[in-house]
Amino acid sequence: RKEVEQDPGPFNVPEGATVAFNCTYSNSASQSFFWYRQDCRKEPKLLMSVYSSGNEDGRFTAQLNRASQYISLLIRDSKLSDSATYLCVLGVTGGGNKLTFGTGTQLKVEL
Amino acid sequence: DADVTQTPRNRITKTGKRIMLECSQTKGHDRMYWYRQDPGLGLRLIYYSFDVKDINKGEISDGYSVSRQAQAKFSLSLESAIPNQTALYFCATSDSGGKSYNEQFFGPGTRLTVL
Repeated sequence: RKEVEQDPGPFNVPEGATVAFNCTYSNSASQSFFWYRQDCRKEPKLLMSVYSSGNEDGRFTAQLNRASQYISLLIRDSKLSDSATYLCVLGVTGGGNKLTFGTGTQLKVEL
Repeated sequence: DADVTQTPRNRITKTGKRIMLECSQTKGHDRMYWYRQDPGLGLRLIYYSFDVKDINKGEISDGYSVSRQAQAKFSLSLESAIPNQTALYFCATSDSGGKSYNEQFFGPGTRLTVL
């Protein structure tokens, strides 16, 4: 079983739609969680960290469910510029800054 | 100017050739990483370095070697390139003492093709 599993998509949504991605993980020792964004042929960039209490940054909301070992990302009022691949990323206590990356979920926002 | 730079950005080489990919950073970070990205497999860690005297293997280090020449420089070598090393290679940095110490900052990537 992969350490991090994501639906690869693509998710094709109209502009203005709300879209949600889920990510499941298998390592219960995972302690830090993130969503990174990667545009086509570009480097990944941190979108937001994910906290147990949930956190929101503008149109983006991230949630963590430790009991079920999944993380979610909700994007409201989708923009064309949100089109990208969203990577679910985990860090493990004692692993320093080592991170484990999911394969990503592709989002395409259309007119 | 970019904080994390990689050279070359694109490289085509032949099987058996020695290749070096270079990474430099101006962020002042102590930790540096090399990843490769393949379609459907995500980013996989090749090597990482927590400071100049510290080098560690990642999950897929076979066929690769690294050198941390200075805090700001971390190079990746393929001693004898083979076609299945064709991939997109990323260098990344992080700051162990920073507020967001888990955040990694990536270079623009090197697209390597081994024929």
